[in-house]
Parts: sequence; C-alpha cells; structure tokens
Amino acid sequence: AQSVTQLDSQVPVFEEAPVELRCNYSSSVSVYLFWYVQYPNQGLQLLLKYLSGSTLVKGINGFEAEFNKSQTSFHLRKPSVHISDTAEYFCAVGPSGGSYIPTFGRGTSLIVHP
Amino acid sequence: DGGITQSPKYLFRKEGQNVTLSCEQNLNHDAMYWYRQDPGQGLRLIYYSQIVNDFQKGDIAEGYSVSREKKESFPLTVTSAQKNPTAFYLCASSPRPGTGYTGELFFGEGSRLTVL
Repeated sequence: AQSVTQLDSQVPVFEEAPVELRCNYSSSVSVYLFWYVQYPNQGLQLLLKYLSGSTLVKGINGFEAEFNKSQTSFHLRKPSVHISDTAEYFCAVGPSGGSYIPTFGRGTSLIVHP
Repeated sequence: DGGITQSPKYLFRKEGQNVTLSCEQNLNHDAMYWYRQDPGQGLRLIYYSQIVNDFQKGDIAEGYSVSREKKESFPLTVTSAQKNPTAFYLCASSPRPGTGYTGELFFGEGSRLTVL
C-alpha cells in the first residue's frame, strides 16, 4: 500500500522569505509524484509533477521540487514567497499495483504574512 | 477551453433532504471521481468511475449515490442517510488508466454544501 506524509499541517512565513513544504511517500514501485495547490474555496490545480528524468522539477508560480529516491521525499520549495501564495498545498503519489487511484497527503496550509 | 464544471458552487439544504451535485467535463476523460474535503482531513474518496455505466465505492461511500449514464457527466447525490453532509465536494477526472496514465487528476472548482 502507498502512503503520503506531509510533515507540517501549517507553515507560517513572512513575505519574501524562502519556504519548504515537506512530503515523504512510501511506494513499492516506481512512482509518479505531484504537488497541487488549492486557493480558498477553489479546486486543486497542478503545481508540478515528477514522472522521470531530472530529479529537480520546476512548476508554475516559481515553485520547484526535488525528488529524492533514497529518502523517499519530494519537498516543495520557493525562494521568495508572496502574499498570493497563501493556500493549501497537497502532495500526491500516482497509483501502483492493481489500483488506479492516486494517494494524497493531508495537505499543508501555507500562510504568508506581510 | 476544456475543463470540469461543478454546480452549484454553494448550496444550502435542510436536514433530511437529498441534494444532487452536478459534475460535467469536456476533457474527453474516461475516469471521474468524487472527493469530500473537511478541514484538516485532506481529500477522501467517495465514488469513482472508469467507464460509462460502471462505478465503484471509495473510502466513504455510505450516504452517497452516483450515476454515470454519459461519459461527460458524473452527478453525486447526498442522501438523507449521510450523517454529516456539510462539506466541500470536489469532482475530478483523468484519462483512462493504461498507457500514459500517471495518476494526475484534473479538478473542478468544488461545491460547498451546508446543511442547516
């Protein structure tokens, strides 16, 4: 069975500071990894994804993530956040085995203060 | 533009009433999903469907029902048997599992149901 652990439920940070949102996963097969962002009262939209190749993945809005197979991690980073980055962020791992349902983490609330 | 449309965005109902949430997609995706979202609990899968006229229960199907009569549509009914129906409901779609499918889901804007 797969699992995704987002290590922080809430991350407060000041505007223009760097931020890292942590995600660890467990999976017995090759994985596809995703980060989604959800603004208040909206659906989820894809920030970035790792399918294969370079372990450093760049996404929208200046975010990037690094796939680390040995540590089974896929942490999301941004060097300088804006107020508009305040949102809920979800890490997910693609399906494996007989299921085609992806597994989501519980989410991390990023709160950017002025 | 292709996408997923959920309606209504906000819905208020009295306790004991059934309500139906609409989900329509024009992405030509075979698979569709319904999730429930409560504060601090992430996304919980209610029902999913891989093809027309076929669907499976997810982790929290009790008190909900769905139909899949058309590829584009996957409505969710919240019945009076659902004990705590107040929540944010998300519909999603994806290509049919198979060659090239990675697990990426495409989401609608959500529907917020409040039961008074």
